[in-house]
Amino acid sequence: GDSVTQMEGPVTLSEEAFLTINCTYTATGYPSLFWYVQYPGEGLQLLLKATKADDKGSNKGFEATYRKETTSFHLEKGSVQVSDSAVYFCALIKGGGGNKLTFGTGTQLKVEL
Amino acid sequence: GAVVSQHPSRVICKSGTSVKIECRSLDFQATTMFWYRQFPKKSLMLMATSNEGSKATYEQGVEKDKFLINHASLTLSTLTVTSAHPEDSSFYICSGVKRENREQFFGPGTRLTVL
Repeated sequence: GDSVTQMEGPVTLSEEAFLTINCTYTATGYPSLFWYVQYPGEGLQLLLKATKADDKGSNKGFEATYRKETTSFHLEKGSVQVSDSAVYFCALIKGGGGNKLTFGTGTQLKVEL
Repeated sequence: GAVVSQHPSRVICKSGTSVKIECRSLDFQATTMFWYRQFPKKSLMLMATSNEGSKATYEQGVEKDKFLINHASLTLSTLTVTSAHPEDSSFYICSGVKRENREQFFGPGTRLTVL
């Protein structure tokens, strides 16, 4: 079945450091890919998405590119802030429509001054 | 965005009792709502898909008689954990799919602790 694999956390960075959170997926067909963020005490929020190969999703300085050849959707940010501290989930919806999300395990990011 | 609320945010109950969790879409209509369970340091596990006015569809391995789901209106779905046991302790999250654009919005979750 479909699956998403994320790097284990926590990831601890200093403010203004470069962030990469790796995500790879296994799915048949052409899934849509997502990154969700969960701030402490809040629900998951959609951070960005990409629906086809080579698409780049971007939002709030975060970017991720849908790489079909490597089945990856790594999340990057050039300069993190303390306010970016949260848990980040990579997810997919398999091709063909539908709304069922398959999530990775989540990666906790801690940004320190 | 759109807002989904859950009530209660946390609940502690005795083993053998039943607990109801509400999920409401506050500013949009959700024809579909999902219920997830999140274990510590684990992914969100989809439990069931709830469609307004019809029976919920449960994922493999989820006991439908234990986790009763009702989606009575376009803005409300409820999850009832019947005869709860300590192993049911978990973080339960719901989401609603906005009818207009099919984007999914998540509630803040409910922490259930069964003693």
